[in-house]
Amino acid sequence: AQSVTQLGSHVSVSEGALVLLRCNYSSSVPPYLFWYVQYPNQGLQLLLKYTTGATLVKGINGFEAEFKKSETSFHLTKPSAHMSDAAEYFCAVAGAGSYQLTFGKGTKLSVIP
Amino acid sequence: DSGVTQTPKHLITATGQRVTLRCSPRSGDLSVYWYQQSLDQGLQFLIQYYNGEERAKGNILERFSAQQFPDLHSELNLSSLELGDSALYFCASSVGSSLRDEQFFGPGTRLTVL
Repeated sequence: AQSVTQLGSHVSVSEGALVLLRCNYSSSVPPYLFWYVQYPNQGLQLLLKYTTGATLVKGINGFEAEFKKSETSFHLTKPSAHMSDAAEYFCAVAGAGSYQLTFGKGTKLSVIP
Repeated sequence: DSGVTQTPKHLITATGQRVTLRCSPRSGDLSVYWYQQSLDQGLQFLIQYYNGEERAKGNILERFSAQQFPDLHSELNLSSLELGDSALYFCASSVGSSLRDEQFFGPGTRLTVL
């Protein structure tokens, strides 16, 4: 079984501040981990993914995430928030060999000018 | 624009009715996934097709069915609709069948059941 917990359904940051969105997962097998972004009235877009190899993953729009097996975490960060980052962010997990992505409940990011 | 198209964008219907949602994947993609997004349940995987064959099933109700046609477009059929079926339905496509392959999401179909 696999599950995802995203801490904080809503996060607000000031423009230029650090963005940190938290994701913890459970998986009985080595996981594939993903972050997606959803802008209003649009579908999801992949930001970054971890499958194997380097645990620090860089994605689009300046985002990155680090896979920490000991902490079962895959937190998303960006050094400096832009107004255009305001959106909902979803963490997802799939156990290696699984056929199903399991999504977290999402975190809505607001950026304050 | 992800390259995945979904029709219709909006659908309003009554309880007990049947509807069909349509998805055209990106050119060259063989997998199609269907997801349901609701306030209650969040984003849930329904079903995956790969090159015309059912590949994986998630939390799909027996009242729901899907298929993928030889031209790789897919349809999701929802029958005996209930109020709780009101949701956003997304289709996604990927080049292969593995979850390591990036999934490209369409803009969704918003279903309202009255």
